[in-house]
Amino acid sequence: AQSVTQLGSHVSVSEGALVLLRCNYSSSVPPYLFWYVQYPNQGLQLLLKYTTGATLVKGINGFEAEFKKSETSFHLTKPSAHMSDAAEYFCAVSDTGGSYIPTFGRGTSLIVHP
Amino acid sequence: DTGVSQNPRHKITKRGQNVTFRCDPISEHNRLYWYRQTLGQGPEFLTYFQNEAQLEKSRLLSDRFSAERPKGSFSTLEIQRTEQGDSAMYLCASSLEVNGYTFGSGTRLTVV
Repeated sequence: AQSVTQLGSHVSVSEGALVLLRCNYSSSVPPYLFWYVQYPNQGLQLLLKYTTGATLVKGINGFEAEFKKSETSFHLTKPSAHMSDAAEYFCAVSDTGGSYIPTFGRGTSLIVHP
Repeated sequence: DTGVSQNPRHKITKRGQNVTFRCDPISEHNRLYWYRQTLGQGPEFLTYFQNEAQLEKSRLLSDRFSAERPKGSFSTLEIQRTEQGDSAMYLCASSLEVNGYTFGSGTRLTVV
């Protein structure tokens, strides 16, 4: 069974500071990995995904994430936080065949201070 | 591509009533997923369709819940005899064979 652990239910940064949101997964085989963002009362929007190939993945809004197989991690980063980045972020993992059903972490709330 | 559409956006119902939600996926997507999300939690998988076939159901999907996807197009999720614990955001997502899930904006259910 797959599982996702997001360390820190809340992360607080100042505007312009580095954003680092942590995600570790448990899977018997290298999975597909995703980061989603959710604004209040909205659905989830895909930020980026890793399936195969380059382990450093660039997404929308200046976010990127690196797949590290040895650490079973897929941490999300952004060099400089904007106020508009304040939202809930979810890491997800899916198997690479069959149903591709994503399993989500509990989420990390990003707070950006002026 | 008009995205994934979910209706209604909000639903308030009295305990014991039945409710039905609709999801219209992206037209070329053959896979459709239903999730439930409660406050402060990540989405929890409920059920999955490939075309019109319901291939997987979570243990979260009690006998009061039923989902259909006739003709492999839109899908409906029905909850019978609603309970207060059913209050949540119900999310629908669709994808092609090789993932890349697109989520709808969800239906927020409040059971009073």
